[in-house]
Amino acid sequence: TQLLEQSPQFLSIQEGENLTVYCNSSSVFSSLQWYRQEPGEGPVLLVTVVTGGEVKKLKRLTFQFGDARKDSSLHITAAQPGDTGLYLCAGQRAGNMLTFGGGTRLMVKP
Amino acid sequence: GAGVSQSPSNKVTEKGKDVELRCDPISGHTALYWYRQSLGQGLEFLIYFQGNSAPDKSGLPSDRFSAERTGGSVSTLTIQRTQQEDSAVYLCASSGSVATNEKLFFGSGTQLSVL
Repeated sequence: TQLLEQSPQFLSIQEGENLTVYCNSSSVFSSLQWYRQEPGEGPVLLVTVVTGGEVKKLKRLTFQFGDARKDSSLHITAAQPGDTGLYLCAGQRAGNMLTFGGGTRLMVKP
Repeated sequence: GAGVSQSPSNKVTEKGKDVELRCDPISGHTALYWYRQSLGQGLEFLIYFQGNSAPDKSGLPSDRFSAERTGGSVSTLTIQRTQQEDSAVYLCASSGSVATNEKLFFGSGTQLSVL
């Protein structure tokens, strides 16, 4: 059973377009993390959101944590080919244990 | 070391053989985690260590899977009598502690293929 549902699973867009990836759950998390993973590598942490309603920006990436701390979104403005990769959300509950979503595979074409 | 190191990077084995995967965490990190990732999918939690102790082994898929950590450093994940469904990327991560929101640093993984 996937506790964290990510959508869409796959996304192919042209350079310059905007996109939003969603991460939804029926469970409450103490925090939610977003990772980016490239082929042959491990995931790399992009951001951690902790407070319900929190918004964090990382250059062209905007992350939001839902008010109820059950869902999150990642918005990329003016996507570039370098943004291509697998985006993973992960919810944190007890201690430092993470529950990962199924991932969104993004391809940005030049 | 500078990062989490995993070996081998690739392992091809025959069904029924045992395999041992190694993880060398970042020096000084007391917490170590093993995850499994099927092709292009999310990560499935297997086990974590705080020091040499593994408080929660419930994520291990079956009793063919075991893990140990010695000296608070290197960890090995052993899969006995491998099956084709064990084929996946096995990722190791470490963090300074198991405190909430401690950043996890991942290795590049071991790609296991069971023929």
